[in-house]
Amino acid sequence: EIVLTQSPDTLSLSPGERATLSCRASQSITTTYLAWYQQRPGQAPRLLLYGASNRAPGIPDRFIGSGSGTDFTLTITGLEPEDSAVFYCQHFGGAPYNFGQGTRLEI
Amino acid sequence: QVQLVQSGTEVMQPGASLRVSCQASGYTFSTYDIHWVRQASGQGLEWMGWMNPDTGRGGYAKTLQGRVTMSSNASISTAYMELSSLKSDDTAMYYCARLSAWGIRYPRAYGMDVWGQGTTVIVSS
Repeated sequence: EIVLTQSPDTLSLSPGERATLSCRASQSITTTYLAWYQQRPGQAPRLLLYGASNRAPGIPDRFIGSGSGTDFTLTITGLEPEDSAVFYCQHFGGAPYNFGQGTRLEI
Repeated sequence: QVQLVQSGTEVMQPGASLRVSCQASGYTFSTYDIHWVRQASGQGLEWMGWMNPDTGRGGYAKTLQGRVTMSSNASISTAYMELSSLKSDDTAMYYCARLSAWGIRYPRAYGMDVWGQGTTVIVSS
């Protein structure tokens, strides 16, 4: 079973700054098997990135994914107040398709 | 538009069985796997399992095996998640989600791109 560990747990930044969120896997994952989601309070999760770095339709280019193997990163540039949310990574490298525990981003 | 619409809030007794429905519209239901995810209040996302509406094939999280069943009725484009022997720990928001795949060569890229609005389940005596 692949376990995903996200860091930090909480990130507090100001508008316009850059956020860097980490997702580390307990074993190597094929890059195409890593996705990122954003969940705003009271809402269902929303797919941000698939294949580690491909933006889902409608996702602005401020959201940038990178990484490979066991270490993946979500970078958000030019932070806006609407970016306040919890961000989750998820893998598809074999069931169970676990999520990371999440990183809360406060703007 | 493409959407998943889930059934409404459920208040259940401990030990009872639950069924949540998830009706798809705007796309061909049988061509996408449906996954189920739950989230206890203030907690993270927990993957519960998946099923393919075309083949009926699927799999469940080990922590739920024996209590959870996922099924579908393609004639009404609806997926179901049944959970038995309910406990207070099962109190959560339950989501269904469509799994999409991108790319034409192996390995393809995956992500859950359409989510239901969530179903609140409260287990309490």
